[in-house]
Amino acid sequence: GQQLNQSPQSMFIQEGEDVSMNCTSSSIFNTWLWYKQDPGEGPVLLIALYKAGELTSNGRLTAQFGITRKDSFLNISASIPSDVGIYFCAASFSNTGNQFYFGTGTSLTVIP
Amino acid sequence: ETGVTQSPTHLIKTRGQQVTLRCSSQSGHNTVSWYQQALGQGPQFIFQYYREEENGRGNFPPRFSGLQFPNYSSELNVNALELDDSALYLCASSLGPEGRFYGYTFGSGTRLTVV
Repeated sequence: GQQLNQSPQSMFIQEGEDVSMNCTSSSIFNTWLWYKQDPGEGPVLLIALYKAGELTSNGRLTAQFGITRKDSFLNISASIPSDVGIYFCAASFSNTGNQFYFGTGTSLTVIP
Repeated sequence: ETGVTQSPTHLIKTRGQQVTLRCSSQSGHNTVSWYQQALGQGPQFIFQYYREEENGRGNFPPRFSGLQFPNYSSELNVNALELDDSALYLCASSLGPEGRFYGYTFGSGTRLTVV
């Protein structure tokens, strides 16, 4: 199957710091999604990206669909304790929501 | 607006048995996708159902099968359970191909343990 290389694997940061994580692939995708998952819960959608070069914000979160369509990044500004969790990128060849490939996740720990 | 609900939340089965997992989609969504998430990994696509038909399938053997009902709810059936089938099974609902895709809404999952 397709492989999404997500990095870093884990991050330990101080409250108030900015965070950056990314996802790369050798394949060209048409849709990128970013999700956050808390222990024992399903992933929650943070940002959806539909077009190469698109930059989208959701509060303190900003994500971009890479211009080559092979990568995406997520930034979190001014981190707070509730940002703790596992962040996943997901990408699809489809524009209609079929078959997403997920990265292996970035585990974020915020130290108060 | 009700979200995606899955049942049961936890399940323990013996190798070789069969299991059925259930999912009710978010109101207004007509498409259901199933994902398997092994511990420490990202979710892997099993299949998607739209208008009661399979609409895409990942790299899973035929002993993984599904159904979608007229009310858009769905079942995932797994036959001849193997130890490696132990995982969190996630159901996700979304709008179908005729509408704009705004991302999946996931349920909290069913934790299946095969012993």
